[in-house]
Amino acid sequence: DAMVIQNPRYQVTQFGKPVTLSCSQTLNHNVMYWYQQKSSQAPKLLFHYYDKDFNNEADTPDNFQSRRPNTSFCFLDIRSPGLGDAAMYLCATSRQGQGIAKNIQYFGAGTRLSVL
Amino acid sequence: KQEVTQIPAALSVPEGENLVLNCSFTDSAIYNLQWFRQDPGKGLTSLLLIQSSQREQTSGRLNASLDKSSGRSTLYIAASQPGDSATYLCAVRMGSSGSARQLTFGSGTQLTVLP
Repeated sequence: DAMVIQNPRYQVTQFGKPVTLSCSQTLNHNVMYWYQQKSSQAPKLLFHYYDKDFNNEADTPDNFQSRRPNTSFCFLDIRSPGLGDAAMYLCATSRQGQGIAKNIQYFGAGTRLSVL
Repeated sequence: KQEVTQIPAALSVPEGENLVLNCSFTDSAIYNLQWFRQDPGKGLTSLLLIQSSQREQTSGRLNASLDKSSGRSTLYIAASQPGDSATYLCAVRMGSSGSARQLTFGSGTQLTVLP
């Protein structure tokens, strides 16, 4: 059974039209991440939540925002998508804290975003 | 700033061969290193994680080694099968708090195992 679930798997939006991608998890992990992966490139971290603490990467565009209303759900909002935002968006989770050594990240299947 | 490199970018081998994928990183003070598999258009599946104090980890036909001092890791796949065809990514983590928690990924090696 999928433990990190991303919806939808494929999303098409128009240039400048806001879009929201969703991620849910059944692992009860306290950390959730959003990555952007363009074709044949490495995944690039956009931001992550450690519990409710939001951590934005310095080079993440202001166009990208995130919400985490509870432990299980996390959303990626793209306010005004441009053509350059077309990519695979990956959500991941991990359990982190004192005494937890490994901190393996578990990934969802991703949402492929197309911008027309 | 940590940089992770994977060479070659693509590799084709006949079925049954043993093969090695390479990963190098510029800052050797890593916390751990993780190998992932990614099938086309799919998310990432964690294969092996090596803590900075470990030299290797094994899972089935996979063996990952870590040489922290030289900034290198290898993923050894024994008796390759067509089902092993995928992109393999390595990622390093620098610490356990703040921005150090993030993974820095290589661009991956696209493996094709020919039947």
